[in-house]
Amino acid sequence: GESVGLHLPTLSVQEGDNSIINCAYSNSASDYFIWYKQESGKGPQFIIDIRSNMDKRQGQRVTVLLNKTVKHLSLQIAATQPGDSAVYFCAEARDYKLSFGAGTTVTVRA
Amino acid sequence: ETGVTQSPTHLIKTRGQQVTLRCSSQSGHNTVSWYQQALGQGPQFIFQYYREEENGRGNFPPRFSGLQFPNYSSELNVNALELDDSALYLCASSLFHPGGTDTQYFGPGTRLTVL
Repeated sequence: GESVGLHLPTLSVQEGDNSIINCAYSNSASDYFIWYKQESGKGPQFIIDIRSNMDKRQGQRVTVLLNKTVKHLSLQIAATQPGDSAVYFCAEARDYKLSFGAGTTVTVRA
Repeated sequence: ETGVTQSPTHLIKTRGQQVTLRCSSQSGHNTVSWYQQALGQGPQFIFQYYREEENGRGNFPPRFSGLQFPNYSSELNVNALELDDSALYLCASSLFHPGGTDTQYFGPGTRLTVL
């Protein structure tokens, strides 16, 4: 199964299911968008990015979708694993800085 | 691991004191950005250094200052510490190119507690 919805601060997912994390952004002029994963006590870890002229990009077990019409970004994680438990942030990049969203805490149930 | 290192890992200071945090960038990167992350929130941009000069600044007061050295490492200095300065301070390194920077890679952070 999948968990889809508007931006939620928390997401609980059954191990092996697919996860979808949503993010709304505000700046139409952003150059590109990045998803970071942050585990407890660690710095944000780069997952995947997407340029503003693209609408989809795939990585290993992850897919990012960009909908510029509604200013919406999503991260899909296939076959969620216990190691995917973390806080996930979307960030929009413009010029020299990153602006981060509120973050979604993903908990994977065994 | 990103190759970005920060020191110290943890730090406890009292209100009014000054603190210096350090960051070594990833090999091949020439730009360092600093972020403040309060508990339960996303990182907030403080400033960025490129070619040893401040390249951009977020909404932080002048008591937050920085340096970048010829080897691209960087320091964040905070004067007159306030209780609200308690946070995780993150350094991110990247490669600067005209029109914007490349993806920023973060270090593990320095946890600052102000009492």
